[in-house]
Amino acid sequence: AQTVTQSQPEMSVQEAETVTLSCTYDTSESNYYLFWYKQPPSRQMILVIRQEAYKQQNATENRFSVNFQKAAKSFSLKISDSQLGDTAMYFCAFLVNYQLIWGAGTKLIIKP
Amino acid sequence: DGGITQSPKYLFRKEGQNVTLSCEQNLNHDAMYWYRQDPGQGLRLIYYSQIVNDFQKGDIAEGYSVSREKKESFPLTVTSAQKNPTAFYLCASSIEGAKGQPQHFGDGTRLSIL
Repeated sequence: AQTVTQSQPEMSVQEAETVTLSCTYDTSESNYYLFWYKQPPSRQMILVIRQEAYKQQNATENRFSVNFQKAAKSFSLKISDSQLGDTAMYFCAFLVNYQLIWGAGTKLIIKP
Repeated sequence: DGGITQSPKYLFRKEGQNVTLSCEQNLNHDAMYWYRQDPGQGLRLIYYSQIVNDFQKGDIAEGYSVSREKKESFPLTVTSAQKNPTAFYLCASSIEGAKGQPQHFGDGTRLSIL
């Protein structure tokens, strides 16, 4: 079975700190894509970052970066200089054969 | 601006009633998806469609039905056979033919039982 595990149900950090959210996944496929999505209290699902499994270079988008370890099937998200607007649920997901497999999410709270 | 529109934002269903959730996109995307979100869980796929007049069941299709008569529209009907329909429903779309492209989401519909 293809699964995604986010081991941290909830995290909180002070504004401006760096935080890392964990994600591990399990698949027998060799070609797939990984994503982090953010869902703020408004419930809109917003793409944060995308990683192609065949690329070894870690993706970055401004303050957001990933640490992709393919052999370990690990895909963590690092948020630098965290801001109050980063408060949200964060979901890790991987795409294989046109289907997204989702983790249960990590609730991230940024404290002022 | 291009995007995905879901309506209504809130919907209430009576016992034995079918209800339909609307999803429209103007992104010219070929693929569309319906997900169900319950508290403490990730999204679960209900149905997806890669092309007009064709769709496939996802992991939790029982009690739901869809149609794809137009590229822009992918309505979801929650039938009376779905015994626990209370949830948040998200519609998404993506470019087809370009694997690995991200899915874009609407703002969701919250369905509750009266």
